[in-house]
Amino acid sequence: AQSVAQPEDQVNVAEGNPLTVKCTYSVSGNPYLFWYVQYPNRGLQFLLKYITGDNLVKGSYGFEAEFNKSQTSFHLKKPSALVSDSALYFCAVTPPRTGGYNKLIFGAGTRLAVHP
Amino acid sequence: DGGITQSPKYLFRKEGQNVTLSCEQNLNHDAMYWYRQDPGQGLRLIYYSQIVNDFQKGDIAEGYSVSREKKESFPLTVTSAQKNPTAFYLCASSIGAGGYYNEQFFGPGTRLTVL
Repeated sequence: AQSVAQPEDQVNVAEGNPLTVKCTYSVSGNPYLFWYVQYPNRGLQFLLKYITGDNLVKGSYGFEAEFNKSQTSFHLKKPSALVSDSALYFCAVTPPRTGGYNKLIFGAGTRLAVHP
Repeated sequence: DGGITQSPKYLFRKEGQNVTLSCEQNLNHDAMYWYRQDPGQGLRLIYYSQIVNDFQKGDIAEGYSVSREKKESFPLTVTSAQKNPTAFYLCASSIGAGGYYNEQFFGPGTRLTVL
């Protein structure tokens, strides 16, 4: 079955330190990979995506993600965390050949808490 | 929230009632989606529509219905057949069908509670 795993329910990091939010996927073929962020009682906001090309993708608010095909991972990173980065982060995958629409398979989400 | 509006923000339903959640977008997107979000489960697809007057069931369509009479609008009805409707409902849209790599834009959500 196609799936996305976010192995950590919560990640705690001190402000100014680097952060990593992990994501691995199980999808046949070459998927398209996305990260979204959700603030409390709000919709999801798109951060970045990997389609093809350079394995390091840069996105909004200083976030970046590294695609690793051999490890089937797409970890989200930021060199220096801000308290305002505290939110719920979702990794999502679009499998290839989805019959004409971009079906997104979401992970369960990781709550990031950045402490002052 | 990217040109997608959802109303109401909070909705309370009594047992046996049908309720309709509104979703409108002004992004000129062809494709629209409805998701349900429960704590710890990520988002699950209820219905999607790639074009006006056409829609398809997602992974958890039972107890829900939709219509797509206009490009801008994709209302979701939660029927009395949905046994556990209390959840946060998110509407999304994206450019065109077949664009597997197009990101989806989300509305602010509607929180539905069954009394």
